[in-house]
Amino acid sequence: SQQGEEDPQALSIQEGENATMNCSYKTSINNLQWYRQNSGRGLVHLILIRSNEREKHSGRLRVTLDTSKKSSSLLITASRAADTASYFCATLRWGSGNTGKLIFGQGTTLQVKP
Amino acid sequence: DVKVTQSSRYLVKRTGEKVFLECVQDMDHENMFWYRQDPGLGLRLIYFSYDVKMKEKGDIPEGYSVSREKKERFSLILESASTNQTSMYLCASTPGQGYNSPLHFGNGTRLTVT
Repeated sequence: SQQGEEDPQALSIQEGENATMNCSYKTSINNLQWYRQNSGRGLVHLILIRSNEREKHSGRLRVTLDTSKKSSSLLITASRAADTASYFCATLRWGSGNTGKLIFGQGTTLQVKP
Repeated sequence: DVKVTQSSRYLVKRTGEKVFLECVQDMDHENMFWYRQDPGLGLRLIYFSYDVKMKEKGDIPEGYSVSREKKERFSLILESASTNQTSMYLCASTPGQGYNSPLHFGNGTRLTVT
């Protein structure tokens, strides 16, 4: 089963508005990462937030992490049509031999209308 | 910039064929991953490798095998392709222990099995 679950599954907004996407997870984490995927392409890393951090910024992106609620949110401010993409959160699951692997949620599809 | 290259963007194969998907990264990363992505299911981890000749099963390894003979190359093998393996396949890599490093993805291979 997927570790991270995004909400909503789909979001449609007008250019200039803010977009907020949420991610919930079940087990304790080392870090949580957000990725973006343009249609038909690979994923691109946006932000990594460690478990001891509560908020992180990168340009128009703001990520928050609440470990007590096992949730994170990604806020895109002043959205642009070029922000249209799918957004995924990913959390680390520990495997055998002390190795870790990133597990992705199903993603939020964001459409920004010009 | 890290470059992860997947050998084919589109591939069409027949049921029962043996299929090789190739992935090469140019940044000397220790860890490499194969995911498949399907609508409504998000990304699911098939196999990963944390060193040459090392491999570990992900969440859905059935029907697949992998090969990592050289550090830069990680191959996904469909032993006998079936129609339910029609999907987008994504390769990714990350350095070292990888737990606080982002994944770098290739652009994906869209495989159709007829």
